[in-house]
Amino acid sequence: EVQLVESGGGLVQPGRSLRLSCAASGFTFDDYAMHWVRQAPGKGLEWVSGISWNSGSIGYADSVKGRFTISRDNAKNSLYLQMNSLRAEDTALYYCAKDLAAAGIPTIPAFWGQGTLVTVSS
Amino acid sequence: EIVLTQSPATLSLSPGERATLSCRASQSVSSYLAWYQQKPGQAPRLLIYDASNRATGIPARFSGSGSGTDFTLTISSLEPEDFAVYYCQQRSNWPQTFGPGTKVDIK
Repeated sequence: EVQLVESGGGLVQPGRSLRLSCAASGFTFDDYAMHWVRQAPGKGLEWVSGISWNSGSIGYADSVKGRFTISRDNAKNSLYLQMNSLRAEDTALYYCAKDLAAAGIPTIPAFWGQGTLVTVSS
Repeated sequence: EIVLTQSPATLSLSPGERATLSCRASQSVSSYLAWYQQKPGQAPRLLIYDASNRATGIPARFSGSGSGTDFTLTISSLEPEDFAVYYCQQRSNWPQTFGPGTKVDIK
């Protein structure tokens, strides 16, 4: 059974940093591209970042480019999101998602974890 | 960035009725469009990818159509568990983008 468990969320002051993690199980992690998608309270979905199976292809939303860094450790079946210079508008539930197809660039977030909440406030 | 517009914002229907949801892209996304369902307190679930392909385990009452800039998600006969928010998403150009959602609620 595919499982994605996000962690690392919490309350952080504006301008500070936070690192999110996503522990994957139930599938061959290093075969799949992965994504981070967020949802502000009561709002819609926003794709944040994606990374290919071998980290060779990475993309970011314009709203986080230069502040957030996605990475993965295939040996640990883990996905990460390093978030720097956090702003109030980064407050959201952050979902980790597995791509639909194996061995490609990030395309379709197909299976989602339950999310970890990040609150940016002084 | 490609902007997706969904209509209507809210659709009020009764169980058993047909639901037709629209998604329009600001420029062509070919067939690279997906649909997701999200219920309160739950993560989104992939329903349709590449405009018309049902994801694994999705009932046949869900169907998708369209290409270019205009897409439709149809639920042929609403079941009680189908009342939710539906989002479209494009992967034609990076960054990927989502539409604002259509809420299907009970009339």
